[in-house]
Amino acid sequence: KAGVTQTPRYLIKTRGQQVTLSCSPISGHRSVSWYQQTPGQGLQFLFEYFSETQRNKGNFPGRFSGRQFSNSRSEMNVSTLELGDSALYLCASSLQGAIDEQFFGPGTRLTVL
Amino acid sequence: GQNIDQPTEMTATEGAIVQINCTYQTSGFNGLFWYQQHAGEAPTFLSYNVLDGLEEKGRFSSFLSRSKGYSYLLLKELQMKDSASYLCAVTRGSTLGRLYFGRGTQLTVWP
Repeated sequence: KAGVTQTPRYLIKTRGQQVTLSCSPISGHRSVSWYQQTPGQGLQFLFEYFSETQRNKGNFPGRFSGRQFSNSRSEMNVSTLELGDSALYLCASSLQGAIDEQFFGPGTRLTVL
Repeated sequence: GQNIDQPTEMTATEGAIVQINCTYQTSGFNGLFWYQQHAGEAPTFLSYNVLDGLEEKGRFSSFLSRSKGYSYLLLKELQMKDSASYLCAVTRGSTLGRLYFGRGTQLTVWP
């Protein structure tokens, strides 16, 4: 069974640009969550999608958005990039959400210059 | 927010036993996860506790006390490959799709 895949793995952008990250969950998983990981803040929850609906949202500004498609693949978008957005963005998939095991993808390392 | 505390760093030697503690103050607490994360890699699932008590899985065990807001991860027969960050994360009944993570405990195992 293939694991969670994320593309791209590495990305370099400049301030003010926008970026779209993609996550393909494990087949059959309907929940996809996104997290931002930085050395200073640790793992911070961005949002969770279940069956194409945003079910939970963290405390990030509106520049961070996401969506989920009918095949459960998910994308997150960050507009008007800031230096502080440099981080590892992880997506996790599970059957139903955080009541069962969440499987993490390898992450996308975003660097904003 | 949710207050989840765990030590920042721990060290131990090969073959030893180490206990990593996690305390939390979470309204509507549902359950607690432990994840392992090696440098440069994604977190991987270790355990999930919902009820009080000890869950054993090979060299790793996890304990939960809901009344005390306390959990620990016990690693036995430590190996060099156990050097990693160990993340404690809780879930709440009102936001079941969301994990609230602690900052992680960086464990270094020395030969």
